[in-house]
Amino acid sequence: KAGVTQTPRYLIKTRGQQVTLSCSPISGHRSVSWYQQTPGQGLQFLFEYFSETQRNKGNFPGRFSGRQFSNSRSEMNVSTLELGDSALYLCASSLASLYNEQFFGPGTRLTVL
Amino acid sequence: DAKTTQPTSMDCAEGRAANLPCNHSTISGNEYVYWYRQIHSQGPQYIIHGLKNNETNEMASLIITEDRKSSTLILPHATLRDTAVYYCIVRVGNSGGGADGLTFGKGTHLIIQP
Repeated sequence: KAGVTQTPRYLIKTRGQQVTLSCSPISGHRSVSWYQQTPGQGLQFLFEYFSETQRNKGNFPGRFSGRQFSNSRSEMNVSTLELGDSALYLCASSLASLYNEQFFGPGTRLTVL
Repeated sequence: DAKTTQPTSMDCAEGRAANLPCNHSTISGNEYVYWYRQIHSQGPQYIIHGLKNNETNEMASLIITEDRKSSTLILPHATLRDTAVYYCIVRVGNSGGGADGLTFGKGTHLIIQP
């Protein structure tokens, strides 16, 4: 069974731009969660999607948004990029809930210049 | 405000059991203890979780004290590949609307020595 895939793996953007990251969950998994990881703040929960609906949300500004498609694939968008958005963005999928065992992808390394 | 407290780092000799402690003195009755680990440059990996009974799987054992205020993750025969940051997380075990998801603290950097 294929694992969680994320594209692209690396991305360089400049301040003020926007970016879209993609996540394909494990087949059959309906819950997709997104996390931001930085050296200073560690792993922080962004949001969780289930059946195309955002079900849980962390404490991030509205510039961070996401969506989920009918095939459970998910995208995350960050608008008006700031230098502090430079981070590893991780996607995780699970069968039905983020409280089940979550399977993480390799992440997308975003650098904002 | 952190719900769990873990040592910053630990060393363990290869082949020995690695015992990673976690304090969660404010844990509620409906909160589970989860353990994940993150090997350098990879996404986190689920290890085990439990509510109040001890749990064991092919990777590790989880020992939760009777008062549930602390727990220990045991890797029975540590190998060099077990070198990673280990996260102890406390969270309710249902989806819940508006919940804040899994909160990863700083974790314990476990270094397995050859």
